[in-house]
Amino acid sequence: NAGVTQTPKFQVLKTGQSMTLQCAQDMNHNSMYWYRQDPGMGLRLIYYSASEGTTDKGEVPNGYNVSRLNKREFSLRLESAAPSQTSVYFCASIEVRSPAFFGQGTRLTVV
Amino acid sequence: EDKVVQSPLSLVVHEGDTVTLNCSYEVTNFRSLLWYKQEKKAPTFLFMLTSSGIEKKSGRLSSILDKKELSSILNITATQTGDSAIYLCAVGFTDKLIFGTGTRLQVFP
Repeated sequence: NAGVTQTPKFQVLKTGQSMTLQCAQDMNHNSMYWYRQDPGMGLRLIYYSASEGTTDKGEVPNGYNVSRLNKREFSLRLESAAPSQTSVYFCASIEVRSPAFFGQGTRLTVV
Repeated sequence: EDKVVQSPLSLVVHEGDTVTLNCSYEVTNFRSLLWYKQEKKAPTFLFMLTSSGIEKKSGRLSSILDKKELSSILNITATQTGDSAIYLCAVGFTDKLIFGTGTRLQVFP
């Protein structure tokens, strides 16, 4: 009963540090997404991967990189964290004609 | 520019009231419109709509899509305090899925 697994759940970084958020899905979905959610706002798309081996920018890609390691895994990397990247991050996977399934989120604070 | 707009941004009602939440969109190659409920953690799926005019229902919640007007509504009848949440509308198009800003619903006893 896994679905989408996202790690870590919480993280505090200092400005300039780097980190990678991991996401894995076991539903054999082709598409995977990374979103950020700031207080009082909806989810904004950072990057997405429509299939293994492809990645594309979403609405707010600056300051992030992604890797679609294989069909199951899609990671998000912050190379040099900034306070503006303090947010809650969600990974999601989706198949055509099905709803998106979300991980439980990562609460990231950059000080 | 592709966008999803929800209204109202915030709604405060009393238990038993009926509410209507709106979602409008401007995207190319529309595929589907989805409604989610978000409480403290990740969004949970409510409805997926792909065809105009077909109402989807689940208990006190219902939703319908109007492709001509590029919009959808989510109705909640006989609201309860447990309905308090952020309701998110998302639109799938091409390979993307983008969200509106959400409607925060607060239901008081």
